[in-house]
Amino acid sequence: GAGVSQSPSNKVTEKGKDVELRCDPISGHTALYWYRQSLGQGLEFLIYFQGNSAPDKSGLPSDRFSAERTGGSVSTLTIQRTQQEDSAVYLCASSLVADSSYGYTFGSGTRLTVV
Amino acid sequence: GENVEQHPSTLSVQEGDSAVIKCTYSDSASNYFPWYKQELGKRPQLIIDIRSNVGEKKDQRIAVTLNKTAKHFSLHITETQPEDSAVYFCAASIAAGNKLTFGGGTRVLVKP
Repeated sequence: GAGVSQSPSNKVTEKGKDVELRCDPISGHTALYWYRQSLGQGLEFLIYFQGNSAPDKSGLPSDRFSAERTGGSVSTLTIQRTQQEDSAVYLCASSLVADSSYGYTFGSGTRLTVV
Repeated sequence: GENVEQHPSTLSVQEGDSAVIKCTYSDSASNYFPWYKQELGKRPQLIIDIRSNVGEKKDQRIAVTLNKTAKHFSLHITETQPEDSAVYFCAASIAAGNKLTFGGGTRVLVKP
């Protein structure tokens, strides 16, 4: 597609439930990133996928968070047993690592609210 | 790992005046420094970037400067307009397309 697509755009879930957030990167982009942005805060790195390399999971806040990227394209971020502090906007970005001119392109994000 | 500090956290300027946002970074290996603009409720968008082999870069009313020795870089917006009102984020990485570490953001308000 023309840009990075994320779904759903909004998700309200009950505390303790699991949620899945989806990211469709720009076609051909080899790198994919997940960030979290709490209300009025900066961008917190979560996880990074680069081609077939092992993902950099160093930003995941707890073992309730996991992510996968199938076929080097679509990625799913899963949060198990959601807590209220998980409420945030989850942003996905992709980049064409082979070309250093473009940096990241962000998706519109998924606003997660845990009630 | 990399740590990026950004100041100020909020900045209010009169329309037509200049705005300056400053960032410092900790990892001397960092060599790519983009700036993102995020309007209310929208995604962050890349507005300008600079690499470590360049000291300054301009694009119309915006410019970035980089001092590798001091490990700091700055965003300058001249002749500010109301549409410049947004949150601006600086970031650093070891190469474009690799993991970015973001500063905490600066909320800029341009008063007409």
